[in-house]
Amino acid sequence: NAGVTQTPKFRILKIGQSMTLQCTQDMNHNYMYWYRQDPGMGLKLIYYSVGAGITDKGEVPNGYNVSRSTTEDFPLRLELAAPSQTSVYFCASSVGYSSYNEQFFGPGTRLTVL
Amino acid sequence: AQRVTQPEKLLSVFKGAPVELKCNYSYSGSPELFWYVQYSRQRLQLLLRHISRESIKGFTADLNKGETSFHLKKPFAQEEDSAMYYCALLTGGGNKLTFGTGTQLKVEL
Repeated sequence: NAGVTQTPKFRILKIGQSMTLQCTQDMNHNYMYWYRQDPGMGLKLIYYSVGAGITDKGEVPNGYNVSRSTTEDFPLRLELAAPSQTSVYFCASSVGYSSYNEQFFGPGTRLTVL
Repeated sequence: AQRVTQPEKLLSVFKGAPVELKCNYSYSGSPELFWYVQYSRQRLQLLLRHISRESIKGFTADLNKGETSFHLKKPFAQEEDSAMYYCALLTGGGNKLTFGTGTQLKVEL
């Protein structure tokens, strides 16, 4: 199993451009998450999904959109990139809701907006 | 609102010395806590969960509800323990996690 994969690894955007960060998991997990991590800070939840067709906002959703059309994929869309969105983005997945269920993380996407 | 605090950005210890990484939380519900670790050039991964009361790689963590703490401890640090450690709190539906800012552990020879 590849686990959680993310593309691209790195990206530089100009202000106002848009892009989609891809996330795929092959573990048949119901729950998926997008986090961002700014320098010196912890991970903050952007959006999450508890199953195909169901998404919900996390702590910092402004400026982002998500969709979940399949169990495997959970893309994150930036419509109008801003310098404040410069960050490292992590996708994660878990089986479901339980104190025992760990979240499995992807390798991250480093995004710079200039 | 829920919050996880890790007061130390960097903790440097010598090999063989005891390690304690501090974590305090604020949460109105019944807390469920985790430690995640990120080794150099690797993904963030689960180290241990309080509900399992487990010891992983010699690390343990005890939930102290009175002090709202979940400190990570190891009696004898090893060089391979050098990594970034994050304390995380399970909050609400959706299995969401609130993370602390992390502590970089450096084990020196």
